[in-house]
Amino acid sequence: EVQLLESGGGLVQPGGSLRLSCAASGFTFSSYAMSWVRQAPGKGLEWVSAISGSGGSTYYADSVKGRFTISRDNSKNTLYLQMNSLRAEDTAVYYCAKESENSVIRGIAVAGVDYWGQGTLVTVSS
Amino acid sequence: DIQMTQSPSSLSASVGDRVTITCQASQDISNYLNWYQQKPGKAPKLLIYDASNLETGVPSRFSGSGSGTDFTFTISSLQPEDIATYYCQQYDNLPPLFGPGTKVDIK
Repeated sequence: EVQLLESGGGLVQPGGSLRLSCAASGFTFSSYAMSWVRQAPGKGLEWVSAISGSGGSTYYADSVKGRFTISRDNSKNTLYLQMNSLRAEDTAVYYCAKESENSVIRGIAVAGVDYWGQGTLVTVSS
Repeated sequence: DIQMTQSPSSLSASVGDRVTITCQASQDISNYLNWYQQKPGKAPKLLIYDASNLETGVPSRFSGSGSGTDFTFTISSLQPEDIATYYCQQYDNLPPLFGPGTKVDIK
């Protein structure tokens, strides 16, 4: 059974930093691209970042480029999101997401999420 | 960036009704489109990929169609457990933007 367990969320002041982790199990972690998707309170879904299975390629939304860094440790089956220079507008539930088999078939990093974590809340406020 | 629009933004229908949601891309995305269902307080769930392919385990009352810029998502017979917000997502280009969502309620 695929499981994605996020941790690291919490309350942080504007300008602060936070690192999210996502422990994955139930699938061959290194074979799949992974993404982070966020959802601000009462709002829709926003793709944040993705990383290839090997970790060699990373992708970011313009809203977080230069402030967030996605990474993975395939030996630990863990995905990370380092968030720096946090702003109030980064307040959201952050979901760890496994890219589907379709991403492997099509040879692209992002093709749709077939498994999601439960989400971790990040609140940026003074 | 490719922009996605959805309509309606919300709808209310009776159990057993046929429900249709449309999604439009700002440029041709071929069939690179997903549909997700998100129930309150839960993570989204992938229902349809490549515009018309049903994800494993998803009930057959859900279906999708379209290509290019115009797409349709249909629930053939609305059930109480289908109360949720539905999102389309393009993945032809990065960023893989989601549509704004359609909230479906029971009348």
